[in-house]
Amino acid sequence: ETGVTQTPRHLVMGMTNKKSLKCEQHLGHNAMYWYKQSAKKPLELMFVYSLEERVENNSVPSRFSPECPNSSHLFLHLHTLQPEDSALYLCASSQNEVADYYEQYFGPGTRLTVT
Amino acid sequence: SQQGEEDPQALSIQEGENATMNCSYKTSINNLQWYRQNSGRGLVHLILIRSNEREKHSGRLRVTLDTSKKSSSLLITASRAADTASYFCATDRGSTLGRLYFGRGTQLTVWP
Repeated sequence: ETGVTQTPRHLVMGMTNKKSLKCEQHLGHNAMYWYKQSAKKPLELMFVYSLEERVENNSVPSRFSPECPNSSHLFLHLHTLQPEDSALYLCASSQNEVADYYEQYFGPGTRLTVT
Repeated sequence: SQQGEEDPQALSIQEGENATMNCSYKTSINNLQWYRQNSGRGLVHLILIRSNEREKHSGRLRVTLDTSKKSSSLLITASRAADTASYFCATDRGSTLGRLYFGRGTQLTVWP
């Protein structure tokens, strides 16, 4: 266990559904991340939250909407997804300092299938 | 877009042999990290090496960094079947904000 949990572990949804992915970290970290991992593609950074403020949005389509209510919880709200959005979605956290940062701790991921 | 480029894409060895994986990158960096991923699971951090370091060890792992060549290598000595996984390098593209950019990874298979 890395101290980062994700639910659900598997999710199948239709293109018209709305669902949310949840991530929780128990490490006291101040930064959280969403990544997308598709088959045969590099891990893609989607969103970064530092001290609960979004600091990165890597041109992610608006059908993905992140939410970070506090430093321990991170959500990814999904709506009207496309089949190409099927992937493993990974959450991570880290402790970032001024002008430095440390390793990231990843959750086990949510395997999302869009039908 | 992709930052690290791991080489080889796949590596197959026998238990007890050493495994060497390489990573090349394109921009300046502050740190370079190596992660491991078992099939369909989350990534696990292995080693972080800073740009002013040339070599770092952790157990059976040895990481080198050559900033002049923009390359790094990960050596796993005396490999075990349990080392079978994908290995990724990640860089920060010179940012200190904790954003990481990963390569496609090397799939290592260790046969018993």
